[in-house]
Amino acid sequence: QQQVKQSPQSLIVQKGGISIINCAYENTAFDYFPWYQQFPGKGPALLIAIRPDVSEKKEGRFTISFNKSAKQFSLHIMDSQPGDSATYFCAASTGLGANNLFFGTGTRLTVIP
Amino acid sequence: SAVISQKPSRDICQRGTSLTIQCQVDSQVTMMFWYRQQPGQSLTLIATANQGSEATYESGFVIDKFPISRPNLTFSTLTVSNMSPEDSSIYLCSVAGTSRVSNEQFFGPGTRLTVL
Repeated sequence: QQQVKQSPQSLIVQKGGISIINCAYENTAFDYFPWYQQFPGKGPALLIAIRPDVSEKKEGRFTISFNKSAKQFSLHIMDSQPGDSATYFCAASTGLGANNLFFGTGTRLTVIP
Repeated sequence: SAVISQKPSRDICQRGTSLTIQCQVDSQVTMMFWYRQQPGQSLTLIATANQGSEATYESGFVIDKFPISRPNLTFSTLTVSNMSPEDSSIYLCSVAGTSRVSNEQFFGPGTRLTVL
């Protein structure tokens, strides 16, 4: 059973465009929602994370939007660049301490020059 | 964030053999985890490596197949035992408890394992 559902599976965006990746969850106990970026042959790198007490978090060109009532959150990449081409994973976990991260299935983003 | 290294970075092994993967962190961390990522797939937690006690395994993973050690707060090993081609995956360690936000997990570069 997939605890976190992610879409789309792949995404192609023109340089300068906005990339949007969506995730949904069922477990209302989740209280930490990170996004990871993974390049081929590398481990996932923490990109940005949000807690359910805020509806949006922005860091540079990356923004997380969070809808607690809908149990959905999304990653927006503004002014997408070819260097952003990677696989993006959303995840969720519970509790105050570091706990098991439940990962989405991943989105392969390709930004065309 | 911590600097995490894994050895080996990749290996090709024969069916029935075992491989031990090492994970080293440059600072003491509270939590260490081992994940598996099959080619083109998402990450699945194998176990939490507990310092000074037995690892905590997730459903579908057992100690006899994936023995784990964590002798101190900066080092852990994962052994993949009696390997079969189905064990071909990327194995990743991650750490947490290095930052003010205790949930943050940081991943090592991974070990790419191919079993023939």
